Amino acid sequence: EVLLVESGGDLVEPGRSLRLSCTASGFTSADYAMSWIRQAPGGGLEWVGFIRSKVYGGAPEYAASVKGRFTISRDDSKNIAYLQMSSLETGDTALYYCTRELKREYGMDVWGQGTTVTVS
Amino acid sequence: QSALTQPASVSGSPGQSITISCTGPNSDVDRYHYLSWYQQHPGRAPKLMIFDVSNRPSGVSNRFSGSKSDNTASLTISGLQAEDEAEYYCSAYTVSDTLVFGGGTKLTVL
Repeated sequence: EVLLVESGGDLVEPGRSLRLSCTASGFTSADYAMSWIRQAPGGGLEWVGFIRSKVYGGAPEYAASVKGRFTISRDDSKNIAYLQMSSLETGDTALYYCTRELKREYGMDVWGQGTTVTVS
Repeated sequence: QSALTQPASVSGSPGQSITISCTGPNSDVDRYHYLSWYQQHPGRAPKLMIFDVSNRPSGVSNRFSGSKSDNTASLTISGLQAEDEAEYYCSAYTVSDTLVFGGGTKLTVL
């Protein structure tokens, strides 16, 4: 079964750091771009960023709201993608989803169930 | 404010068809690429319904269709069913390789 499982969500104080993990199973995550999407309580979806597969250079891209504070990385040997969050703000409070995307035109076809980050 | 504009809500009766629109900030969805649609039921993760404007992933009902015309992308659901009641989001990549979502549309099945 193809699965993405996020972990690492927690209650943290403003200004602190937190690292989220996204563990993939049932497929070779190295073949996919991995994205992070967040959803504030009662809000809509917000793209946080993604990291390309090594085939496409492996570089990350970020939303303006998190650029310079968040870092996305991947360890394909472990099938894990990471979201390192620093200088957290109350506005970062959200459910954070991990997704996969083979190519941009194919959309994000698998989503995890999310992990909750509360900054307070 | 979302870069892509969707109506906040739409509604329809069972068996009817509804359409949800998605428009770019300059009414030019052509400036965005690889448009997708996602369905989200309360308390659940989003689900991909349409990719690249009009393509359906395997397993998605053919009652769902996507199109683009006159600089607006649209999601049409025909033969509306109670289970279609959910929030729907469009998304697209910008020319700078960032992704933007619409604000979401709540579909109510009357």
